[in-house]
Amino acid sequence: GQNIDQPTEMTATEGAIVQINCTYQTSGFNGLFWYQQHAGEAPTFLSYNVLDGLEEKGRFSSFLSRSKGYSYLLLKELQMKDSASYLCAVRPRGDKIIFGKGTRLHILP
Amino acid sequence: DSGVTQTPKHLITATGQRVTLRCSPRSGDLSVYWYQQSLDQGLQFLIQYYNGEERAKGNILERFSAQQFPDLHSELNLSSLELGDSALYFCASSVDGGSNEKLFFGSGTQLSVL
Repeated sequence: GQNIDQPTEMTATEGAIVQINCTYQTSGFNGLFWYQQHAGEAPTFLSYNVLDGLEEKGRFSSFLSRSKGYSYLLLKELQMKDSASYLCAVRPRGDKIIFGKGTRLHILP
Repeated sequence: DSGVTQTPKHLITATGQRVTLRCSPRSGDLSVYWYQQSLDQGLQFLIQYYNGEERAKGNILERFSAQQFPDLHSELNLSSLELGDSALYFCASSVDGGSNEKLFFGSGTQLSVL
């Protein structure tokens, strides 16, 4: 079967750095995505990894290790607007994308 | 604005009823995906269409059906509704469903079954 695990909730302080981990077990691998979702809103794309290593995009970076079935999303210089759910998602084959349940990130002033 | 349009935004109905949710993908996108999101389950993949044909199926109930029309808009039909069907239903689109393609999500339809 397909399984994607990530922590349910995390709390961090404004200006700090936080790392959100994701582990996956899927039948096939054609890429891993991270999405941000504010409460009651649509998910929006943050990053895509298909090869091992780190992808950096401004304050956000995403890492992938295919051999370990592991990824993380790193958020730097946290801002209050970063309070949201972060969804890890995997495309097992060339079609559907499977999402984890998401990590709710709370930012404290 | 993602360019994906979903209607209606809110729907309130009773158990046993049938509803239709509508989605217009971004201009140029051929692939449409439907997801159900409830508080405890996260985003659950229901079904994917590509250029009018069903491409992939998830844990979609037999009471649910979908189709994609020649103009590429899609409809999700939910029948014999139960209380547990109350959820946020998202439609997403991508150009052709390729491996590295990100999904663009609509703003969702909040379904409440009373």
